[in-house]
Amino acid sequence: NAGVTQTPKFQVLKTGQSMTLQCAQDMNHNSMYWYRQDPGMGLRLIYYSASEGTTDKGEVPNGYNVSRLNKREFSLRLESAAPSQTSVYFCASSEQQGRTEAFFGQGTRLTVV
Amino acid sequence: GDSVTQMEGPVTLSEEAFLTINCTYTATGYPSLFWYVQYPGEGLQLLLKATKADDKGSNKGFEATYRKETTSFHLEKGSVQVSDSAVYFCALSEGMLTGGGNKLTFGTGTQLKVEL
Repeated sequence: NAGVTQTPKFQVLKTGQSMTLQCAQDMNHNSMYWYRQDPGMGLRLIYYSASEGTTDKGEVPNGYNVSRLNKREFSLRLESAAPSQTSVYFCASSEQQGRTEAFFGQGTRLTVV
Repeated sequence: GDSVTQMEGPVTLSEEAFLTINCTYTATGYPSLFWYVQYPGEGLQLLLKATKADDKGSNKGFEATYRKETTSFHLEKGSVQVSDSAVYFCALSEGMLTGGGNKLTFGTGTQLKVEL
């Protein structure tokens, strides 16, 4: 009964380093999302994948890339980390159709120094 | 576009006090409305939802009623506990993102602190 699983939970990067955040869901959802959470700004959508084989930009995509590896897995990559990318990152999944809720992972707290 | 406005926090209450966290929204269509809760160090969990006007969502003693006439979805609980200390997010889902998937719009969150 894992739901949405993210790894790692914490990460510290130096400016310019790269890393990939991993996400997997076991709810057979078609759609998956990456959000970032910053103080006073709520959650902002970075990228999403409406279904396997598709990805699209969200509200704040600059500096990120994504891969929908299969129906279960959706990864977020930072190619050259910047201090402005210090944030908490959440992966989520949902049904593709309808005005339904999303289910969230535990988050990754990323600090770029 | 869609937007969600929540009251600023933090909200500090004594245990057993009555809680109201205000939420109003702007949407062009007929959204579903949600309250999520985030406990320290954890992800967001769905607390309750409502999908049409006058619906009341409820869970764990929390309630919220979908008020279309006032475009509001205020969260209430009659008697809070220390364990309710968390950040609460109001959100709406109105339609689809380009290519599919649900478009969720979140408020900025309201931190609740409950003291003994």
